[in-house]
Amino acid sequence: NAGVTQTPKFRILKIGQSMTLQCTQDMNHNYMYWYRQDPGMGLKLIYYSVGAGITDKGEVPNGYNVSRSTTEDFPLRLELAAPSQTSVYFCASSYASGYNEQFFGPGTRLTVL
Amino acid sequence: GQNIDQPTEMTATEGAIVQINCTYQTSGFNGLFWYQQHAGEAPTFLSYNVLDGLEEKGRFSSFLSRSKGYSYLLLKELQMKDSASYLCAAYQTGANNLFFGTGTRLTVIP
Repeated sequence: NAGVTQTPKFRILKIGQSMTLQCTQDMNHNYMYWYRQDPGMGLKLIYYSVGAGITDKGEVPNGYNVSRSTTEDFPLRLELAAPSQTSVYFCASSYASGYNEQFFGPGTRLTVL
Repeated sequence: GQNIDQPTEMTATEGAIVQINCTYQTSGFNGLFWYQQHAGEAPTFLSYNVLDGLEEKGRFSSFLSRSKGYSYLLLKELQMKDSASYLCAAYQTGANNLFFGTGTRLTVIP
């Protein structure tokens, strides 16, 4: 099993550009999450999904959108990138709700200039 | 609301024991996680406590006191590879996610 995979690993965007961060898991997990981590800070939840077709906002959803058309995939869309979105983005998945261990992908380091 | 506090940085000597504390104020609290994160890498799961007491896993142990809103992670026989950030995270009943603290960066020195 590959676990949770994310692409790309690194990306530089210009202000106002858009992009999609890809996340795929092969563990048949129902729950998937997107976090961002700023330097010296903890993980902040952006969006999460409890199953295909169901998504909900986390703590910091502004400027982002998600979709969950399949169990495996949970892409994160950035529209009109801003410097404040410079961060490391982690995708995670878990079998069930929050009391289950979350498995994290390797992260995407995004810089907006 | 959610509030999780842990020290920003700690330094300890190889072979020694170190305790990383975490205090939390979480409505509907129902469990405390510890994750390890090496620099530039993803967090990985270390432990989960839902009941009061100590859970031991090899060189790592985690303790929880629900009445005091307090947890600690105990690392024994420190190794250089234990240099990493340790993230405390609280699970809230009814929520579908974890609330993370800012992490404690541990440096192990020879």
